[in-house]
Amino acid sequence: GEDVEQSLFLSVREGDSSVINCTYTDSSSTYLYWYKQEPGAGLQLLTYIFSNMDMKQDQRLTVLLNKKDKHLSLRIADTQTGDSAIYFCAVSNNDMRFGAGTRLTVKP
Amino acid sequence: DTAVSQTPKYLVTQMGNDKSIKCEQNLGHDTMYWYKQDSKKFLKIMFSYNNKELIINETVPNRFSPKSPDKAHLNLHINSLELGDSAVYFCASTPLAGVGGTGELFFGEGSRLTVL
Repeated sequence: GEDVEQSLFLSVREGDSSVINCTYTDSSSTYLYWYKQEPGAGLQLLTYIFSNMDMKQDQRLTVLLNKKDKHLSLRIADTQTGDSAIYFCAVSNNDMRFGAGTRLTVKP
Repeated sequence: DTAVSQTPKYLVTQMGNDKSIKCEQNLGHDTMYWYKQDSKKFLKIMFSYNNKELIINETVPNRFSPKSPDKAHLNLHINSLELGDSAVYFCASTPLAGVGGTGELFFGEGSRLTVL
């Protein structure tokens, strides 16, 4: 299978929480990232977590890392329509490997 | 002020032609990449250069030839274009994890190539 896997679509209502999940295979990854891509634009780093951490919180964003299960998640609290985008999970060792991206749609 | 800039942003051409995409970064990073994003948004690494030297060359047809004249520039030349080359090509740079950074990639805005 692919090095990094994520579900392709997620739809939530405005104000709800969104949880985007990712699994990866390379246990030696030093950093794990979440990137956001808006239509017609390049990817921008949203947040990252170092591999020796379990959790990182940054305002509405919470990243959870389960190293044993090689599972990374991104929770967006109080999701807004402006959060609609594609979210990419990525892991880094010698180079950056990306998941296929999860398209988040936020309905009013 | 643009950190990673790519030109052209859009490129429409006929099958069989040769085209180039240019990338420049003003961040002082040592490592630059080319990624290909297909119509399903899957992002795949193509090449990586560190300080003008090729360090990653994924399974890419040899019609694709990267060139790095200096560490701030990484260009992509494509010969004999095929329909399947249609995609968005992203240039990125990084200071690398453990070398003054977290390995974050800084992306250009992408170059959309359409082969007719």
